[in-house]
Amino acid sequence: QVHLVQSGAEVKKPGASVKVSCKASGYTFTDYYIHWVRQAPGQGLEWMGWINPNSGGTNSAQRFQGRVTMTRDRSISTAYLELSSLRSDDTAVYFCARVVTRGTHFDYWGQGTLVSVSS
Amino acid sequence: QSALTQPASVSGSPGQSITISCTGTSSDVGNYNFVSWYQQHPGKAPKLMIYEGSERPSGVSNRFSGSKSGNTASLTISGLQAEDEADYYCCSYAGSFTFVFGGGTKLTVL
Repeated sequence: QVHLVQSGAEVKKPGASVKVSCKASGYTFTDYYIHWVRQAPGQGLEWMGWINPNSGGTNSAQRFQGRVTMTRDRSISTAYLELSSLRSDDTAVYFCARVVTRGTHFDYWGQGTLVSVSS
Repeated sequence: QSALTQPASVSGSPGQSITISCTGTSSDVGNYNFVSWYQQHPGKAPKLMIYEGSERPSGVSNRFSGSKSGNTASLTISGLQAEDEADYYCCSYAGSFTFVFGGGTKLTVL
């Protein structure tokens, strides 16, 4: 069955960077885009961007452009989200989710990774 | 991109039906038939309930249905059950390979 397993919680200081991983199993990694969605404490879901694991192509929400880097390692079916210049309002649970190529809905989600930013 | 607009909360008694609205613009909800709905219980990852406006994934109860009119999409839950109590989020394709979520609606089963 399909699984997306994310890396563990992180604590970072303002101005630092964080890299979260999302390991896929149970399907062909390159058949589905990996999207990243975050959720600040007590808040709603916020779409951040996607990576095409086949080509490595990416796209992100305008508000994150310049601060977010999405990469993948096809050999281990893992996608990565790196967010730089962290601020306190980046404290959130970060989810990865898959979307079939040319699809428009997130059918499987990772368990989430809490990133806490505090001095 | 502005978040889609959802009511902050809705409530209903067991057995009743409720509807959650999701209002966007002609650039997202109104321009594409690509609205999806997610259920999220506290501390859990979201779960896909409806996609492409009205399609149900395998395993999702037929008590959940979706529709759209103009710039507003709706999720209806019939025969409310205690386990339906959760947060619900809509999401729409917004063009240029981007997506936008709604602010979320807390459903309380009285």
